Amino acid sequence: KQEVTQIPAALSVPEGENLVLNCSFTDSAIYNLQWFRQDPGKGLTSLLLIQSSQREQTSGRLNASLDKSSGRSTLYIAASQPGDSATYLCAVSRDTGGFKTIFGAGTRLFVKA
Amino acid sequence: NAGVTQTPKFQVLKTGQSMTLQCAQDMNHEYMSWYRQDPGMGLRLIHYSVGAGITDQGEVPNGYNVSRSTTEDFPLRLLSAAPSQTSVYFCASRRPGQRSYNSPLHFGNGTRLTVT
Repeated sequence: KQEVTQIPAALSVPEGENLVLNCSFTDSAIYNLQWFRQDPGKGLTSLLLIQSSQREQTSGRLNASLDKSSGRSTLYIAASQPGDSATYLCAVSRDTGGFKTIFGAGTRLFVKA
Repeated sequence: NAGVTQTPKFQVLKTGQSMTLQCAQDMNHEYMSWYRQDPGMGLRLIHYSVGAGITDQGEVPNGYNVSRSTTEDFPLRLLSAAPSQTSVYFCASRRPGQRSYNSPLHFGNGTRLTVT
């Protein structure tokens, strides 16, 4: 059974710091991995999607990497800002249709001004 | 473009009551799904649909029913509410296509349900 783990559960950093969020999964037979952002009381917004054949994806100050063989992904946030404060979730799709996307519990990030 | 719309935003039910959570999307997405989010447990898939008339169970389907009569709408029915169904419910959709599994999920803003 696929399990997705995110460590740490919470993280507090000063503004301007570069940081890394971690995601691990137990079954390497995935089609893709996604990183989402969730603001309090809101839904999830997709940040980056890495296909299984890819090693990384970048969007602005965000860079996500994927190492399927070791079951790990990282989300790198450069020059963090208070507006980056949110919960970040990773999720893996483990069949062709992506029907059963499995989520981690998330890392709650707080960036102090 | 509204995206994925969920109603209501908040709901309080008594044990044994029934209700329907509404989800609608205006992006012509064939794939739609329902998740519940509980503290410390991430999102868990309840039911999903790959098109009108087609539905299937996810990880935690017990106590919930779905139907998909149109591409736009995917309601979730609680037949007899229980306190264990207190949660935040999210509807999500994905664009159609051969490689749709490599397109991102679009989420609604959720329905916060409390069962007393």
